[in-house]
Amino acid sequence: AQSVAQPEDQVNVAEGNPLTVKCTYSVSGNPYLFWYVQYPNRGLQFLLKYITGDNLVKGSYGFEAEFNKSQTSFHLKKPSALVSDSALYFCAWGKAAGNKLTFGGGTRVLVKP
Amino acid sequence: GAVVSQHPSRVICKSGTSVKIECRSLDFQATTMFWYRQFPKQSLMLMATSNEGSKATYEQGVEKDKFLINHASLTLSTLTVTSAHPEDSSFYICSATVGTSSTDTQYFGPGTRLTVL
Repeated sequence: AQSVAQPEDQVNVAEGNPLTVKCTYSVSGNPYLFWYVQYPNRGLQFLLKYITGDNLVKGSYGFEAEFNKSQTSFHLKKPSALVSDSALYFCAWGKAAGNKLTFGGGTRVLVKP
Repeated sequence: GAVVSQHPSRVICKSGTSVKIECRSLDFQATTMFWYRQFPKQSLMLMATSNEGSKATYEQGVEKDKFLINHASLTLSTLTVTSAHPEDSSFYICSATVGTSSTDTQYFGPGTRLTVL
């Protein structure tokens, strides 16, 4: 089955350090890949998406992600993490940007001051 | 950015009653809305796809007679949980999109927490 996977349930990082949240995909063809963030008891906020073109995608709040076809990965990165980045992060794929999304299991990020 | 609202944000009901959840796109017209369900500490699972003016498309394993979806206008979709039971307790999240082209993004509502006693 076509899917995305987030291998880490939780990532801990000190404030100011680089943050990486991993996502790998198993999707045929050209996948549309997304990152969303969820704060407690809230819906999801869109961070960024990869459709086609430049493999490095820049998104909201200083986040970026790199589409790597050879490694089938779409890791989310931020050069310097903030305590306010602590949240639940979801990677997702869809056949088109506005089409239904299939989500990874989520990765909880905890940024410590 | 595009804003999607949900109402109510939280609802508690007795077993056997029905509950209606509204999803509205506030500043854009949504041709397609999606309903997801999220269990505690788990990911989102798509329940159904709702297109304005047509019947919803349900994912495998989702009971369409139990989870009634109506997308009556380009800004409103409703999810009705009929004859609710405790196992229906969950966090329900909707999303909306203008279309299905490569430039369209799904925007999510804040979610509705349903607790069935």
